[in-house]
Amino acid sequence: GQNIDQPTEMTATEGAIVQINCTYQTSGFNGLFWYQQHAGEAPTFLSYNVLDGLEEKGRFSSFLSRSKGYSYLLLKELQMKDSASYLCAVILRSNDYKLSFGAGTTVTVRA
Amino acid sequence: DADVTQTPRNRITKTGKRIMLECSQTKGHDRMYWYRQDPGLGLRLIYYSFDVKDINKGEISDGYSVSRQAQAKFSLSLESAIPNQTALYFCATSDSTLNYGYTFGSGTRLTVV
Repeated sequence: GQNIDQPTEMTATEGAIVQINCTYQTSGFNGLFWYQQHAGEAPTFLSYNVLDGLEEKGRFSSFLSRSKGYSYLLLKELQMKDSASYLCAVILRSNDYKLSFGAGTTVTVRA
Repeated sequence: DADVTQTPRNRITKTGKRIMLECSQTKGHDRMYWYRQDPGLGLRLIYYSFDVKDINKGEISDGYSVSRQAQAKFSLSLESAIPNQTALYFCATSDSTLNYGYTFGSGTRLTVV
């Protein structure tokens, strides 16, 4: 595979904050996406980072450090509906500019 | 109508049968992809096509074939289905810039018994 690593599972309480980390190989990097996927449904786009720094969209933020091969997705003010799998996906020149997906992080939000 | 439509949504088939999963898109994208998803393994690429005359194998193409009938249509076939092909299958499309990532279909849940 393309060595995209993210934790398998995370659990958090409603109203709290959760940070999902993603690391990847840096060679040929061209951008990083985060997708949300509810069980049995299609992945849906959350964010796209190509430059270093933080991108904020409402309760969700995504951070990228190209030199460290590192990204995180920050989910604030967690709601029950945020219980889902979160997929990190990287564009790599070595993969013919297709998306390479991590295995996903399952986030469970508890009341 | 959905941007990317997959049919059927659910299918149960017997071992050894041939089955076709269909995908059509209204995005006008040149690039189309077929993935399968299994618990704990994430999305794995089966085949992809960058235009109508281009077909490429992904990481797990054995046992599968594809046809790109038109820019908007990309079908996946299982020539002789086997139980370990039971999975959730997704079709996706993108433009060549990838600035907007992939647009996924709703998925086909296939069970081979």
